[in-house]
Amino acid sequence: DIQMTQSPSTLSASVGDRVTITCRASQSIGSWLAWYQQRPGKAPKLLMYETSRLESGVPSRFSGSGSGTDFILTISSLQPNDFATYYCQQYVGFPGTFGQGTKVEVK
Amino acid sequence: EVQLVESGGGLVKPGGSLRLSCAASGFTFRDAWMSWVRQAPGKGLEWVGRIKSNPDSGTTAYAAPVKGRFSISRDDSKNTLYLQMDSLNAEDTALYYCTIHRSGYFNSWGQGTLVTVSS
Repeated sequence: DIQMTQSPSTLSASVGDRVTITCRASQSIGSWLAWYQQRPGKAPKLLMYETSRLESGVPSRFSGSGSGTDFILTISSLQPNDFATYYCQQYVGFPGTFGQGTKVEVK
Repeated sequence: EVQLVESGGGLVKPGGSLRLSCAASGFTFRDAWMSWVRQAPGKGLEWVGRIKSNPDSGTTAYAAPVKGRFSISRDDSKNTLYLQMDSLNAEDTALYYCTIHRSGYFNSWGQGTLVTVSS
């Protein structure tokens, strides 16, 4: 299985900060990467797919970049609703595998 | 509006069985590939298995930890997805989410149903 590694595991930030989360794949996955947001006590929500395609309704402050093995999720200006855990997921290999998550907490 | 509502979770003894259901609405269920994804308490996400739409063969696939013990099925006449879980063990304790499987990722999620395996 393809292993997905996120960093950092926890990130402390303030409202208005620019936040970046990194996801690394154990082998090349092209652009077949999705990002999810999970707020406490809630189900995950798809943010983007194919590395940088924003899901309908997701604010434009979220963006994604990368290809091959290294990917980045960027939140340009952190909002109160953005404090959550973020997961990357590759879907080129079978089974699709998730990163371990990055928790964005209040600084 | 897409809705996925899971049910059937609960407390079960090791070695026991449980069947989860997912009632779907707001989209054309018969054309959708569906997956189950689980999350152990305080842990990350783990894909459990997938079923294709019947027009696409209706075939299933499973993650290695559950293969041979879990079975996914669907009833398109009832817009319902199922997960039959047998020979349960403590490692299966998790919140089980029903998801729409779109090209390998998951674009809609239910709220989950909790399965606890304990004696």
